Amino acid sequence: EPEVTQTPSHQVTQMGQEVILRCVPISNHLYFYWYRQILGQKVEFLVSFYNNEISEKSEIFDDQFSVERPDGSNFTLKIRSTKLEDSAMYFCASSAALEAFFGQGTRLTVV
Amino acid sequence: AQRVTQPEKLLSVFKGAPVELKCNYSYSGSPELFWYVQYSRQRLQLLLRHISRESIKGFTADLNKGETSFHLKKPFAQEEDSAMYYCALKRAGGYQKVTFGTGTKLQVIP
Repeated sequence: EPEVTQTPSHQVTQMGQEVILRCVPISNHLYFYWYRQILGQKVEFLVSFYNNEISEKSEIFDDQFSVERPDGSNFTLKIRSTKLEDSAMYFCASSAALEAFFGQGTRLTVV
Repeated sequence: AQRVTQPEKLLSVFKGAPVELKCNYSYSGSPELFWYVQYSRQRLQLLLRHISRESIKGFTADLNKGETSFHLKKPFAQEEDSAMYYCALKRAGGYQKVTFGTGTKLQVIP
């Protein structure tokens, strides 16, 4: 069964550094998403992406965040200058039209 | 704005007892409702979607538009049902975001 895959599974970075979280969505899906989950809190929407542009973004997704689909298979989330409060589990998801399928997540720890 | 409310953070039941995980939503249009499950250290997985009216692993959920609810039910809990359960709502349309509730941790006591 096809799956959304995310790399790395765990990333530790120093405050102020840039990080890129990578995702390979399911191949025939057209809609892509990033969510995050701070430890002990709910899953929060960050951004949706369709037809090579952002469809919707949340208040969390400020100028420090960007997304890209650099080639036909990858979907990346970049955090330009990480803050301590960016520490969370980041989930990528993709969708054909109905439900979203999620990756296993990348745990980002900012120290 | 769309919102999903799961009033219980933790629900503990004995094995074999009935389970009901509550979910209420607010949305002005016709939503698509889902239940996702997250087993320990695993990814979020789709459990149910309201449009297919299916039963997965013994769980069912009925959309009640009058009460704006989509409660998840199972008549007899199993130990392997222990997990985090998230109710989720999506506007119709492929690129629409999924909004999650805060989640309920189901603990099935042997």
